[in-house]
Formats: sequence, C-alpha cells, structure tokens
Amino acid sequence: QKEVEQDPGPLSVPEGAIVSLNCTYSNSAFQYFMWYRQYSRKGPELLMYTYSSGNKEDGRFTAQVDKSSKYISLFIRDSQPSDSATYLCAMSYGNNRLAFGKGNQVVVIP
Amino acid sequence: KAGVTQTPRYLIKTRGQQVTLSCSPISGHRSVSWYQQTPGQGLQFLFEYFSETQRNKGNFPGRFSGRQFSNSRSEMNVSTLELGDSALYLCASSLEGVGEQFFGPGTRLTVL
Repeated sequence: QKEVEQDPGPLSVPEGAIVSLNCTYSNSAFQYFMWYRQYSRKGPELLMYTYSSGNKEDGRFTAQVDKSSKYISLFIRDSQPSDSATYLCAMSYGNNRLAFGKGNQVVVIP
Repeated sequence: KAGVTQTPRYLIKTRGQQVTLSCSPISGHRSVSWYQQTPGQGLQFLFEYFSETQRNKGNFPGRFSGRQFSNSRSEMNVSTLELGDSALYLCASSLEGVGEQFFGPGTRLTVL
C-alpha cells in the first residue's frame, strides 16, 4: 500500500464549476499537508500548505485536512480554464522529505 | 526574487553514461531536495541536502548521488545510466527545517 493514495483519474469540468480533489494516507505520522499545481512542462507550484486539521482558504482555493480519517481535500471554486493543470497532494512527517500522490489532471472547459 | 533554477533543461544520454544535473536554490534557502518524476511512479524523493550535508535519503540505488556547495547550490549525479532513469528530475528549495518547498522547472533526462 502506497503511503499516499490519490486516484489519478482525469477530471473535466465546465467553467465556473467547483473542482473537488482528495487524497488519503496510511501513516498517521504525517503532520504537514500540501497541494501543488503543475502545468505541462513546468515544475510543481505550491498552492496550499497546512499543518492542523480543519479548513484553510486562499482566494478560490480551500484545503481541508481530516487527520482522524487520514483524508485531505482541495476545492477550487469558480473554476477557470487557467486552472487546467495537474494537482498533486503531498505530505511530510516533519522534515523536507515529501510523499506525493500520483496527481489528478484537471481540465476546465470554457 | 529569483526562483529555483535548474540546468540543463533537457538532456539526452545513452545507457551506461553518467550525468550531472545542477540546481540553484532561491537566495537564502539552505535546504535543497531532489525528486524524480515519472508517469508510472509519480514524484519520488531522492535526497535532501542542508548545509552541505545529506540530511534525508530516499529509496534509490547508490548510482544516484548528490552534493551541496557552500553557496547552497546542489548537483545530482547519476552513474551507469539505465533506460528506466528517463524522467523529469526536479529540485526544490526551502529555508531550513520544515517549510514550504519551492520547485524548479526540472531537467528532462532521456536515456537511449
């Protein structure tokens, strides 16, 4: 069983819809949770960085962490074509060794 | 503030050769981590350097090595290249300790 599971299926949504992404993990020692966005032929770009359980909002993006269920989510409101990218969840034990999910390719259709 | 830079951006090598990749972190960042990204395995951690010392290491064979210089720039070396080493190699920098990691654009290595 991989440490971090992210269903890598592609996701197509119409412009303006809410995009919902999630990851599960097996090791309760993970303390820090991140979401990265990666455009084609680019490096991952940090979107959200959280430590505790609960919600964190930044503009159109909301990250949720539920440590009791070992489940994290990312919501993108009012999705735009420029949000079309691969979204990767990542987590760490408390060092700089990140464990990543496989990523979800999101396509926002105008 | 300049971001993380990686050189070269693209490389083509043949099996058995060795390769050296370079990473310059964001100014002031002392930690540099390296990752391998492939379609099959996704992003996998290779190693982390902090103040010229390897601080963490992933599950890769000894053919993969790295080093960090006093100016925090880092190099990664892969010896005796195999076809399966074809991947996007990414480096990420952070200030120190646990913190946000910022990625460079990567080096695309193709092994023929």
